Amino acid sequence: QKEVEQDPGPLSVPEGAIVSLNCTYSNSAFQYFMWYRQYSRKGPELLMYTYSSGNKEDGRFTAQVDKSSKYISLFIRDSQPSDSATYLCAMSTGNDMRFGAGTRLTVKP
Amino acid sequence: GAVVSQHPSRVICKSGTSVKIECRSLDFQATTMFWYRQFPKQSLMLMATSNEGSKATYEQGVEKDKFLINHASLTLSTLTVTSAHPEDSSFYICSAVPVPRINEQFFGPGTRLTVL
Repeated sequence: QKEVEQDPGPLSVPEGAIVSLNCTYSNSAFQYFMWYRQYSRKGPELLMYTYSSGNKEDGRFTAQVDKSSKYISLFIRDSQPSDSATYLCAMSTGNDMRFGAGTRLTVKP
Repeated sequence: GAVVSQHPSRVICKSGTSVKIECRSLDFQATTMFWYRQFPKQSLMLMATSNEGSKATYEQGVEKDKFLINHASLTLSTLTVTSAHPEDSSFYICSAVPVPRINEQFFGPGTRLTVL
């Protein structure tokens, strides 16, 4: 079993839709949870950073962490074509960071 | 803030040559930098952790004599792919962790290496 599981998609939604991206993990020592956005042929860009359980909102993006279920989510409201990218979840114990495989998202106009 | 650059962005070389990739943190100091490799449609694969002033720590299966890492200053780490072969063709990405923040890695734009 991989430490971090993420459905690679691809996921295709119409413009304006709410997008839900998820990751599960097995290591209960993970304390820090991140979401990165990666456009084609570019380096990942940090979108959201969360410590421990709870919600965090930034504009159209909301990150949720449920440590009891070992499950994290990223919600994108009012999705735009410019949101089309690969979204990587990442989590860290404080010493080691692990990435999900990434979910490829396409938002169609 | 927290900008990381990589140079070159793309390199094509002949088999057997060595290629050096630079990773720079432009507006912050980073005691730790990471080097990743990414194949098409796959996630990041950590190759090594680079600490300023000390030897890099390589992940299992990564040949340290093949992938030489030097972290000479708080803003620069280099990865040298020695005697490159076609199977080394990949997208190489570095990241840097700002001092004293932890767990927030800022990534460079990546370097696409093609070995003919």
